[in-house]
Amino acid sequence: DAGVIQSPRHEVTEMGQEVTLRCKPISGHNSLFWYRQTMMRGLELLIYFNNNVPIDDSGMPEDRFSAKMPNASFSTLKIQPSEPRDSAVYFCASSQRTSAHNEQFFGPGTRLTVL
Amino acid sequence: DQQVKQNSPSLSVQEGRISILNCDYTNSMFDYFLWYKKYPAEGPTFLISISSIKDKNEDGRFTVFLNKSAKHLSLHIVPSQPGDSAVFFCAASAQNSGNTPLVFGKGTRLSVIA
Repeated sequence: DAGVIQSPRHEVTEMGQEVTLRCKPISGHNSLFWYRQTMMRGLELLIYFNNNVPIDDSGMPEDRFSAKMPNASFSTLKIQPSEPRDSAVYFCASSQRTSAHNEQFFGPGTRLTVL
Repeated sequence: DQQVKQNSPSLSVQEGRISILNCDYTNSMFDYFLWYKKYPAEGPTFLISISSIKDKNEDGRFTVFLNKSAKHLSLHIVPSQPGDSAVFFCAASAQNSGNTPLVFGKGTRLSVIA
């Protein structure tokens, strides 16, 4: 199994530009989570989907952030326009309801730098 | 306000000794707890978990203890090995299901010195 796949691994962009982060969950998993890691706030949930449907997006910081999951094997997190304070590592994770330990499987993350 | 707190940002332990990582939580609705380990440039990986109906769960060198009345859990690593050097995150959820989000602490960086 390839695990959760995220792309790109690194993104450097200028303030005001649109950024799109991509995630492919583990096949057969029906939940997908987007987290953001910063020094100040640690790992925080942005949004999660069950069966491709957004369940809770209360962690999305502003309207500049949006996420979609058009099918079971793909999700995007978009920031438009990006700002320097969006610089962080963004993780995607997937899970299934019947997981043995309630665990989520994380991708390697996308390190975003907004100049 | 942090619902899951790891008050020690870092911990240094000698190889072969015990490492004890602590975690406190405030939300009494949490009933399932997990520990994740994270190496640089990688995503967090699941290590061990415990349900609120238990007070101890052991897996090899790793043992998690839960004190529900104190809203406190700890991860013991015995013996500690240099390969254990990583950031350890405590996480909690309010439902025993893989479909619910996790609330994470800020992590404790463990350094095991050879």
